[in-house]
Amino acid sequence: GAGVSQTPSNKVTEKGKYVELRCDPISGHTALYWYRQSLGQGPEFLIYFQGTGAADDSGLPNDRFFAVRPEGSVSTLKIQRTERGDSAVYLCASSKTGPSGANVLTFGAGSRLTVL
Amino acid sequence: GQNIDQPTEMTATEGAIVQINCTYQTSGFNGLFWYQQHAGEAPTFLSYNVLDGLEEKGRFSSFLSRSKGYSYLLLKELQMKDSASYLCGLTGGGNKLTFGTGTQLKVEL
Repeated sequence: GAGVSQTPSNKVTEKGKYVELRCDPISGHTALYWYRQSLGQGPEFLIYFQGTGAADDSGLPNDRFFAVRPEGSVSTLKIQRTERGDSAVYLCASSKTGPSGANVLTFGAGSRLTVL
Repeated sequence: GQNIDQPTEMTATEGAIVQINCTYQTSGFNGLFWYQQHAGEAPTFLSYNVLDGLEEKGRFSSFLSRSKGYSYLLLKELQMKDSASYLCGLTGGGNKLTFGTGTQLKVEL
């Protein structure tokens, strides 16, 4: 597509529930990133995919968080047993290759997650 | 690991020049990025520095000194629409782009 598309734009859930957030990157972009952003903070890195594989998942806060990109395009961020502290805007970005070099990340509008 | 510091807030006057500083410590360095983020919107790319010196792009310029772990973003002829958060980010030895907390710039009349 023309830009990075994220769905849903807003998700309200109850503590303990399971949530999936979807990201559809720009066509042809091999690298895909997930970030989490809380109010007044910069985006916090979660995970980076190069193709189908997770090249760096060092930012995932714990084992409740998991992300997949089975065909090297669309990615899903999965959060199990949600907690109130998971409430944030989850941003997805894509780029033509990895972030080294002048490979610019294009961000989606984000999915705002609220855990009650 | 990486550590990025930038001021939390700045205020400037329409038509003026403002400089937003960013200092960093990192175990590896591939590049320094600046992004702009308006409230409720996605970050958008502004500039990229990999070598020391100044990169100019219209009203926006970015400077890098790798030996000092220092960068700044310079905004000239400020407009009200420049009110936004400005994110300093860097890629270190790995392949992830890490951001600072962002500097919230308010442009006043």
